[in-house]
This record gives sequence, structure tokens and C-alpha cells, in this order.
Amino acid sequence: SAVISQKPSRDICQRGTSLTIQCQVDSQVTMMFWYRQQPGQSLTLIATANQGSEATYESGFVIDKFPISRPNLTFSTLTVSNMSPEDSSIYLCSVGGQGAGQPQHFGDGTRLSIL
Amino acid sequence: GQQLNQSPQSMFIQEGEDVSMNCTSSSIFNTWLWYKQDPGEGPVLLIALYKAGELTSNGRLTAQFGITRKDSFLNISASIPSDVGIYFCAGRGTASKLTFGTGTRLQVTL
Repeated sequence: SAVISQKPSRDICQRGTSLTIQCQVDSQVTMMFWYRQQPGQSLTLIATANQGSEATYESGFVIDKFPISRPNLTFSTLTVSNMSPEDSSIYLCSVGGQGAGQPQHFGDGTRLSIL
Repeated sequence: GQQLNQSPQSMFIQEGEDVSMNCTSSSIFNTWLWYKQDPGEGPVLLIALYKAGELTSNGRLTAQFGITRKDSFLNISASIPSDVGIYFCAGRGTASKLTFGTGTRLQVTL
């Protein structure tokens, strides 16, 4: 399976600031996804990062709050904008899943705390 | 967003015991996946199921894709301390995105 690297692994941020999280994959992948995992909770899909086009956001998530870039087939970024304490979560990058027999794999996530 | 119902929510068992957990959905899925998440890490894929009725093993782990395509279960035989963690089921329909279960927290004592 692909090796997925996320940066930073953790950060503590001030309210009102923004943070960009990077996801690098060691091979070209068509599908990249961003998930949020709130403390003690399961994973919720934020958006699908599409190479060469706008990301596709899930209900409850908007581009102004979570802008995503996908400049090529091995890299994506997620920005958490104008952060508040409610944004304190683990943000996870995932790849794979296109077509039958293609499971999704995850990076180790970015642990974000907002003061 | 939608989440799958996963039970039990938590389990506290002794080493050597067998463990069973399941996941149910109101929607039909074409793929069921089971993940384990350790503290400070991302979910790691344990087993993938692609056909209704499929039964697949991975070492001490066995999982089945329910015949109705709305449920799946995971069994762990002869549990060991390193089985501790949170187990998530995930279903995928016709789109590529996954819907995750609520998780089962497993604790194993010696």
C-alpha cells in the first residue's frame, strides 16, 4: 500500500489563525480524501481532493473554512481557516478507494489543538 | 453525516478470549472494511470484503460481509494485549467515499 506522510503531526494554534496541513504520497494516486476525527469520535469525511479541479465537499463542510489544494497526483493540502476551539481534532489524509478491490489507506493524522 | 451503528461500544476482555463485534447500516454497501486505530496513529486496514456473503481471514481475525449487504462482523480469536485499540468498520457504496462506524474500543487484560 502507499506510504502517506502528513505534516505537521501536531500543532497548537491560536484562535482566529489558519493552519495548512500537507499530505504527501509516495506514488501517484487518483483519489485523495480528507477526514476529521473529533476527540473520542469516529471519522467524518470532509472532502474529496480532485486533481485539476475543485474539491468535492461533504454536507456541513465548506470551501471557505476548509480550502483544499491538489496540485498533482502525489500531494494535497487542507487548510483549516479562522480556527476556533471546536476545530480541535485529528485531521487525516487518505488515498485509494477508486474501483472495486481498492481499499483506502490513511496517514497518521495531524493533531490540532486550538486555544 | 451518516455513521454506521457499531457494537459493542467498548469491550473489556481477558487475554486468550475470543472477541466479536459487528456493524449495521440502513444502506446497502458494496465494500466493507475493518480498521484498527492505535493511540497517536491513523487507522490501519485489517480486512477488506468485496462480495456479499464473503468470509475472509487475516491471521487471528475473521470478518464477514453480510448477505443483505447491510452488515458485517469482525471476530478476533485468542486475544492478546496488543489487540488493544479502537476498531472501526467502514462501508462504501457506489461512490468512492467511506462511511465509518462509531467504533469499538477493545481493552485486553492479562
